[in-house]
Amino acid sequence: EAQVTQNPRYLITVTGKKLTVTCSQNMNHEYMSWYRQDPGLGLRQIYYSMNVEVTDKGDVPEGYKVSRKEKRNFPLILESPSPNQTSLYFCASSLTRNEQFFGPGTRLTVL
Amino acid sequence: AQKITQTQPGMFVQEKEAVTLDCTYDTSDPSYGLFWYKQPSSGEMIFLIYQGSYDQQNATEGRYSLNFQKARKSANLVISASQLGDSAMYFCAMREPGAGSYQLTFGKGTKLSVIP
Repeated sequence: EAQVTQNPRYLITVTGKKLTVTCSQNMNHEYMSWYRQDPGLGLRQIYYSMNVEVTDKGDVPEGYKVSRKEKRNFPLILESPSPNQTSLYFCASSLTRNEQFFGPGTRLTVL
Repeated sequence: AQKITQTQPGMFVQEKEAVTLDCTYDTSDPSYGLFWYKQPSSGEMIFLIYQGSYDQQNATEGRYSLNFQKARKSANLVISASQLGDSAMYFCAMREPGAGSYQLTFGKGTKLSVIP
């Protein structure tokens, strides 16, 4: 089944404890991205990647890192999480510009 | 910056009736794409329909159709024969212009409630 998977789906952590949210797609898509969704603010792009080893900042990259060592994987790294990074995170991927498929989301709470 | 406006925070529709969710956008670029996504209470984002700015016909996918009025810069989603499972948040999004751009800018969403 063609899909975008994210892990973990739910995470509660404490301020400053490094964490990684994994994202994987099995559709051989070149484009992948991360969004965060916050009440009243909608979805905002954090980082994106056009291909392996090619990443760039979105609208809200502060406090996040990404890497793209393989085509299928695009992990989101929070080196020192803070409470303002409590959010619902989505990974997305696409092959063409007229589609974009989202993962199931990761609910992150930073205490 | 590109902008998407969804003016209806919430809407109610009777089961089996049709409903239109409004979306207007702002861009000066002639090449862009418009998307609609559904987000049920479980949280996932489900792709519904896509309309390219150069597409001659309105996009349709099953019970979903997109009423694309380019001159008015509107891209309203029409859901025919509403079902209880259609109750969800609906987001309109626009692909940023520019060659090779994939970034989506989202509206704030409309919460649709289908009444039995």
